[in-house]
Amino acid sequence: DTGVSQDPRHKITKRGQNVTFRCDPISEHNRLYWYRQTLGQGPEFLTYFQNEAQLEKSRLLSDRFSAERPKGSFSTLEIQRTEQGDSAMYLCASSLIRGETQYFGPGTRLLVL
Amino acid sequence: AQSVAQPEDQVNVAEGNPLTVKCTYSVSGNPYLFWYVQYPNRGLQFLLKYITGDNLVKGSYGFEAEFNKSQTSFHLKKPSALVSDSALYFCAVRDAGGATNKLIFGTGTLLAVQP
Repeated sequence: DTGVSQDPRHKITKRGQNVTFRCDPISEHNRLYWYRQTLGQGPEFLTYFQNEAQLEKSRLLSDRFSAERPKGSFSTLEIQRTEQGDSAMYLCASSLIRGETQYFGPGTRLLVL
Repeated sequence: AQSVAQPEDQVNVAEGNPLTVKCTYSVSGNPYLFWYVQYPNRGLQFLLKYITGDNLVKGSYGFEAEFNKSQTSFHLKKPSALVSDSALYFCAVRDAGGATNKLIFGTGTLLAVQP
């Protein structure tokens, strides 16, 4: 399967701990996006990369959040000093530079106790 | 500002009957419009999109959507519902002329198809 993959699928952590999620986009997709989805809501945009450059960040992305895409392939999203309000599904998507369709991965469900 | 409204939290339909899931949008320029479906504890699966051209767009699994510029709507339709269509459906919009590539999603509509 050559779809978007995310790891881990589930993460339970204690408040104050740091967590890191990984996203592997569809091969040759230059654009990569992170979204967050809370219960009963649609996904909300967090950040966007074109190749290795982070071109846009949402105000939702506080200074505890950092994302990287070091070689323009996979991406990581790190949350430092997690809070209970960070509990959500974190979704990654990718698209071609000249394509409009974003293809989503299965998501990482985070629970902060 | 861009926005999407899905006025129905839930739509109930009997198997074999036609279904409609409503979506209205607001963008400053021309819209790119999308429908995605989400099954429990899964990511979003792309169904169809409107970029330009015919107002009636056909997508996966027999779904189609009609773009109506005057009513700023992009309703999802299917002539005959299946129980397996039961899922959460999201409409999303992107401003075609905007500097951002992010999608703005609605709050979702839960489709329940009764056998």
